[in-house]
Amino acid sequence: AQTVTQSQPEMSVQEAETVTLSCTYDTSESDYYLFWYKQPPSRQMILVIRQEAYKQQNATENRFSVNFQKAAKSFSLKISDSQLGDAAMYFCAYRSYVTGITGGGNKLTFGTGTQLKVEL
Amino acid sequence: DAGVIQSPRHEVTEMGQEVTLRCKPISGHNSLFWYRQTMMRGLELLIYFNNNVPIDDSGMPEDRFSAKMPNASFSTLKIQPSEPRDSAVYFCASSLGEPQHFGDGTRLSIL
Repeated sequence: AQTVTQSQPEMSVQEAETVTLSCTYDTSESDYYLFWYKQPPSRQMILVIRQEAYKQQNATENRFSVNFQKAAKSFSLKISDSQLGDAAMYFCAYRSYVTGITGGGNKLTFGTGTQLKVEL
Repeated sequence: DAGVIQSPRHEVTEMGQEVTLRCKPISGHNSLFWYRQTMMRGLELLIYFNNNVPIDDSGMPEDRFSAKMPNASFSTLKIQPSEPRDSAVYFCASSLGEPQHFGDGTRLSIL
């Protein structure tokens, strides 16, 4: 079974600075997706960024970028120019394809999350 | 376009009562997922449907939990009888390929 590990329960960053959140995963698959989701106090789950394992180029979305190291099974999130609105719980997730008796589908496995605080 | 819609947003009920959580996926999405979030266990997948058919329910904690998807635009998660340890935030998500889009969740408190 796939596992996702986020070893930093909590991180802090000064406004306008850069912070990197760590994520490692364990899998025997060669093709998969990785995601970072953000959960602010409103408890919405908001997709931040995604990476397809077969793509070597690291994904970027405005101030958010990832460092995807497939061999090391590492998928870190970098937030540049941090803003107060970035304060939230961040979850790393691994998507695998599973099959059952009645068919197949995608399954997300989440890490335990990293609480990011942004300070003035 | 409307996102995934869950109801109710909050539910408080007494132990032993039946609880029904509802979800309307995004129109056109063919996969639907139910997750549970607790402090102790984080986010766990309970069950997911593909084209209204349950594919994997291995995450359903026990027989007190059941989920249905009678059509492409509606799903329910039922707990009967409810217990205090069922208190959690329950999320519904839907997708057409990638990524999954989440509803705002239902905070369930069992007294």
